[in-house]
Amino acid sequence: EDKVVQSPLSLVVHEGDTVTLNCSYEVTNFRSLLWYKQEKKAPTFLFMLTSSGIEKKSGRLSSILDKKELSSILNITATQTGDSAIYLCAPKSSGDKLTFGTGTRLAVRP
Amino acid sequence: KAGVTQTPRYLIKTRGQQVTLSCSPISGHRSVSWYQQTPGQGLQFLFEYFSETQRNKGNFPGRFSGRQFSNSRSEMNVSTLELGDSALYLCASSRTGAHTEAFFGQGTRLTVV
Repeated sequence: EDKVVQSPLSLVVHEGDTVTLNCSYEVTNFRSLLWYKQEKKAPTFLFMLTSSGIEKKSGRLSSILDKKELSSILNITATQTGDSAIYLCAPKSSGDKLTFGTGTRLAVRP
Repeated sequence: KAGVTQTPRYLIKTRGQQVTLSCSPISGHRSVSWYQQTPGQGLQFLFEYFSETQRNKGNFPGRFSGRQFSNSRSEMNVSTLELGDSALYLCASSRTGAHTEAFFGQGTRLTVV
């Protein structure tokens, strides 16, 4: 059975801090790994990672995949209160099936 | 470019009834997947449709079914509703392929009373 574990489950930081969110996965027919941010309703797409060791960046967010270790990390630097959300990672396996972890709930205090 | 559209946004049903939810994918996207999100279980995969065919199925009872039309729009149906079916139902669309993103609709919040 496909499995995704995210850590930590929750995190409280102050504005300006840097955070690292972890994702470990075990899926058959791994194709890529996607990160999402979920605030109220729909998860919004952040990154898609397909190759090991190649960092994807978008502003203060960056992410990297380690296929050998079956893991990925999401970094957020200089956090802002608007970064408060649940961050979800989801490996894509056969077809377009995504398997989600429980997510990391991030709270950024002013 | 319009995003993924789900209707209705909110729904209240009684135990034993059935419900149909609709999802219109982004134009050009042929893959539609459905997920159930509950506080206790997180986001769980229900099924995926591509070119009107169910390509993947999650571990949900047969009361949960779906279909996809030739224009890629998809519906999911839940029959004989139970209280535990109360959840946010999300659909995601993608172009399909190993290296393609999936985009989510706003979801349908189903409450079973």
